[in-house]
Amino acid sequence: DAGVTQSPTHLIKTRGQQVTLRCSPKSGHDTVSWYQQALGQGPQFIFQYYEEEERQRGNFPDRFSGHQFPNYSSELNVNALLLGDSALYLCASSPRTGGGQPQHFGDGTRLSIL
Amino acid sequence: DQQVKQNSPSLSVQEGRISILNCDYTNSMFDYFLWYKKYPAEGPTFLISISSIKDKNEDGRFTVFLNKSAKHLSLHIVPSQPGDSAVYFCAARTDSWGKLQFGAGTQVVVTP
Repeated sequence: DAGVTQSPTHLIKTRGQQVTLRCSPKSGHDTVSWYQQALGQGPQFIFQYYEEEERQRGNFPDRFSGHQFPNYSSELNVNALLLGDSALYLCASSPRTGGGQPQHFGDGTRLSIL
Repeated sequence: DQQVKQNSPSLSVQEGRISILNCDYTNSMFDYFLWYKKYPAEGPTFLISISSIKDKNEDGRFTVFLNKSAKHLSLHIVPSQPGDSAVYFCAARTDSWGKLQFGAGTQVVVTP
């Protein structure tokens, strides 16, 4: 039973570029959340997708956008990259039904901005 | 606005002894609390959780205590093992599917 998978593992970009990160949820999970983890901090919530719609959003600018596909996989897009966007980006999945199961995380994508 | 706080960035404990990790929160609307463990180069792994209607939950060597009046929770690991060396995050949410709000984490080192 595959868990949450994310790609790529590492990515290097320069300021002003755009990036797309990908996530496949754990089997049986239909809700995907994205988090940004800066060095020495806890993960910060970016947004959550369910039924292909953004359901909740954290305090992140519009440069951060996402998408969820019919197979529940998801993408995170970041435009006009800034040095401060360098972080570990984590995807988490959970089932919508079942009384609030804990979110399961992937191993993340390490994004470095030069 | 940091609503979940872990004030101890690090903890060193001897193998076989008890590890106690603390977490404070400010939002009284939180109804579910979780602990995650993270090894380097891996994502956070769910460890144990507790609903706001309980004050204790046990799972093997791990016990979480919740004191709602003090807005404080703690994770006890007994006995501590070298494989427990990791960063531990406290997290909380206000609804069943909602966003998790995390503390900054506590680095635990278990020494032989």
